[in-house]
Amino acid sequence: GENVEQHPSTLSVQEGDSAVIKCTYSDSASNYFPWYKQELGKRPQLIIDIRSNVGEKKDQRIAVTLNKTAKHFSLHITETQPEDSAVYFCAASKGGSYIPTFGRGTSLIVHP
Amino acid sequence: DGGITQSPKYLFRKEGQNVTLSCEQNLNHDAMYWYRQDPGQGLRLIYYSQIVNDFQKGDIAEGYSVSREKKESFPLTVTSAQKNPTAFYLCASSMLGRGAEETQYFGPGTRLLVL
Repeated sequence: GENVEQHPSTLSVQEGDSAVIKCTYSDSASNYFPWYKQELGKRPQLIIDIRSNVGEKKDQRIAVTLNKTAKHFSLHITETQPEDSAVYFCAASKGGSYIPTFGRGTSLIVHP
Repeated sequence: DGGITQSPKYLFRKEGQNVTLSCEQNLNHDAMYWYRQDPGQGLRLIYYSQIVNDFQKGDIAEGYSVSREKKESFPLTVTSAQKNPTAFYLCASSMLGRGAEETQYFGPGTRLLVL
């Protein structure tokens, strides 16, 4: 089955810095890669996603890049703010399976 | 995601007791899922259902049971066979079908604690 590795497990940055979280996947058939943000004690919420026919997608301060050859994808957050502090999860799934495999999460801490 | 509700928010289980967690959605989603979340472990799939009256085991189904009698509802029972049930349980739903979004929408979660 699919295996998703996520790094780092913890990331501490100063407000205004950029943050990058990286994930690798094992199944070359995976073609949908969502990213979720989970604040403490709350539900995960989708913040951005990318499909395998696209190499990069941006939404304001958030961007995701995908390298299908290397089987890795990354989340980039620019100009970080304290409210960006949360746990971020990546996931990978194959079209039609609707069963994503999640990474273990990255705890992002943004210091004011 | 306001269309998925879970209850209760907190649940306490005594040893040897079965408890049931509720999950309801009004998004008309075909598929529903149960995940268990432990610190540092990410989201682990317990059970999922893509159609009424049918469900499949996920990665950690032992000690759990589910039913899907209605499209809107997917309750999870934590049985006495689950020896370490303390965790945060998340229910999710998604659409199915060609061209459908694969995004999962999560409920607010139930925190289960053992007395």
